[in-house]
Amino acid sequence: KQEVTQIPAALSVPEGENLVLNCSFTDSAIYNLQWFRQDPGKGLTSLLLIQSSQREQTSGRLNASLDKSSGRSTLYIAASQPGDSATYLCAVRIQGAQKLVFGQGTRLTINP
Amino acid sequence: DTGVSQNPRHKITKRGQNVTFRCDPISEHNRLYWYRQTLGQGPEFLTYFQNEAQLEKSRLLSDRFSAERPKGSFSTLEIQRTEQGDSAMYLCASSFNPSGTGGEQYFGPGTRLTVT
Repeated sequence: KQEVTQIPAALSVPEGENLVLNCSFTDSAIYNLQWFRQDPGKGLTSLLLIQSSQREQTSGRLNASLDKSSGRSTLYIAASQPGDSATYLCAVRIQGAQKLVFGQGTRLTINP
Repeated sequence: DTGVSQNPRHKITKRGQNVTFRCDPISEHNRLYWYRQTLGQGPEFLTYFQNEAQLEKSRLLSDRFSAERPKGSFSTLEIQRTEQGDSAMYLCASSFNPSGTGGEQYFGPGTRLTVT
């Protein structure tokens, strides 16, 4: 059974810092991995999708990496801003399945 | 707005009542998914459709839950005889997956259900 873990559960940093969020998964047989952002009481916004054959994806100040063999992904946020405060979720799609399996998320707070 | 839409956004109901939620996916997305999210947890998969066919259901989807996607367009999720444990955010997502490729899932704003 695929399990996805995100550490830490919460993170608070001052504005302007670069930071890394971690995601690990137990079964390396994945099709892809997605990072999402969720604001309180809202739905999920897709940030980055990495296919299993890819090592990283970049969008603006965000960079996501994937090491399938070790079961790890990281989301790097450069020059953090208060508007980046949200919960960040990673999810994997297992090979042969359509559903996403989510971690519990990292609640990020950027202090002005 | 061409994103995934869900209605209603909030629903408060008494235990034992039936509720129905609607999801309108992004136009021409052939796959539609339902997830449930409780406070402080990541979403959990409930079921998905490819066009009008319901192809997978989670064990979380008890016999009180039923989902449909008539004509492969919008979808409805009905919960019969609601229980307090059904209180959660119900999220809908859609994707375009031609020939089994790994399509990105796009989520709607969710329907917050509170059972009193």
